[in-house]
Parts: sequence; C-alpha cells; structure tokens
Amino acid sequence: NAGVTQTPKFRILKIGQSMTLQCTQDMNHNYMYWYRQDPGMGLKLIYYSVGAGITDKGEVPNGYNVSRSTTEDFPLRLELAAPSQTSVYFCASSPLGESPLHFGNGTRLTVT
Amino acid sequence: RKEVEQDPGPFNVPEGATVAFNCTYSNSASQSFFWYRQDCRKEPKLLMSVYSSGNEDGRFTAQLNRASQYISLLIRDSKLSDSATYLCVVRTGGGNKLTFGTGTQLKVEL
Repeated sequence: NAGVTQTPKFRILKIGQSMTLQCTQDMNHNYMYWYRQDPGMGLKLIYYSVGAGITDKGEVPNGYNVSRSTTEDFPLRLELAAPSQTSVYFCASSPLGESPLHFGNGTRLTVT
Repeated sequence: RKEVEQDPGPFNVPEGATVAFNCTYSNSASQSFFWYRQDCRKEPKLLMSVYSSGNEDGRFTAQLNRASQYISLLIRDSKLSDSATYLCVVRTGGGNKLTFGTGTQLKVEL
C-alpha cells in the first residue's frame, strides 16, 4: 500500500495564479483532511471530508476549495494564490472519526 | 489562551537521559489525546494515544490529568534517533477535528 500520496512535492506560484494540490489514498479510508503548517505554528485544518460527496470547512478555509468525488481522492484548489498561502500542506486520512491520522509527505508551496 | 499549548524548547539532552514534555489544553470537553512525532521537514506520525489511566510503549510513557487539563510524555533512555519535534494533539467534538500544538523540539546529543 502506498498510503496517502500527495503531489506535487514542491511548487512556486505567482500571486493570482491557481493550482490544485492532489491527494489520494489507497486504504479505503472514509475521512480525509487538509492541513497547513506554517513555521512555528501548529497544523491548521483547512477542509475535511467524512466520505465521498461530503466536505466541510475547517479552521482556515478562506481561499481554498475542495471536492470529494471518490473515496480515494481529495484535491485542494487554490483559486487566486496569495503570499499568505505560502505554507506546507499536508493531506491526511483516517478510517473512522476517532482514529489516528495517516499523513501524506506534504506539499511545500511558495507564493511570490 | 491557545487551545493546546506546549513549551517549544528546544530540549537538548544527552543520550541516555530521561526527558519529559508537558502540554496543556483549554477545553475541558476534549475527548481524545495523542502524541505525534514530526521529523524535520517530514509529515507527522502517530507516536501514541494517551489514555486516562496512562500508558506505556517501550521507553515512552504518556499520562493524562483531566483535572488540571494537561498531558505529558516521558522518554526514558533517550536515543539520538528520538531527536524530533513532538506534537501534542487533542480531539474535541465529533468529526475527528484535531487541534495540534506547535510542538516541542527535542535534540538528543552524544
């Protein structure tokens, strides 16, 4: 099993550009999450999903969108990139709501 | 007050030492507690869950004090490979919404 796979690993965007961070998991987990981690800060939840077709906002959703058309995939969309979105983005999954999270390797995004 | 607070460190300890980290949480309704480990520029990985009665996994011992709203992690016989950032994580409410502390950095030295 590959676990949780994120692509790309690194990306540099210009202000105003858009991009999609990809996340896929092969563990048949129902729950999937997107977090961002800024230096010296704890991970902040952007969006999460409890199953295909169901998504909900986390703590810091502004500037992002998600979709969950399949159990496996949970892409994160940035429509108009801003410098404040420079961060490391982690996708995670869990089988149940109370289960520990399995994280992907992260995507390092720089917006200049 | 932050929901989850940790001393950022760094804690610099010699190999073989015992080191303890504390973490406080503000929401008395918090239900589940975890310690995650994060190596530099890598993803967090679950180290251990924290149970009400306390629990041990090899050299690692976790304790929960609900009355004082803190959890602790004790590492005995520190190894160089224990060098990492340790994240205190608290679950409050449904939907598995976890709140992460900013982490405590541990450096184990020869």
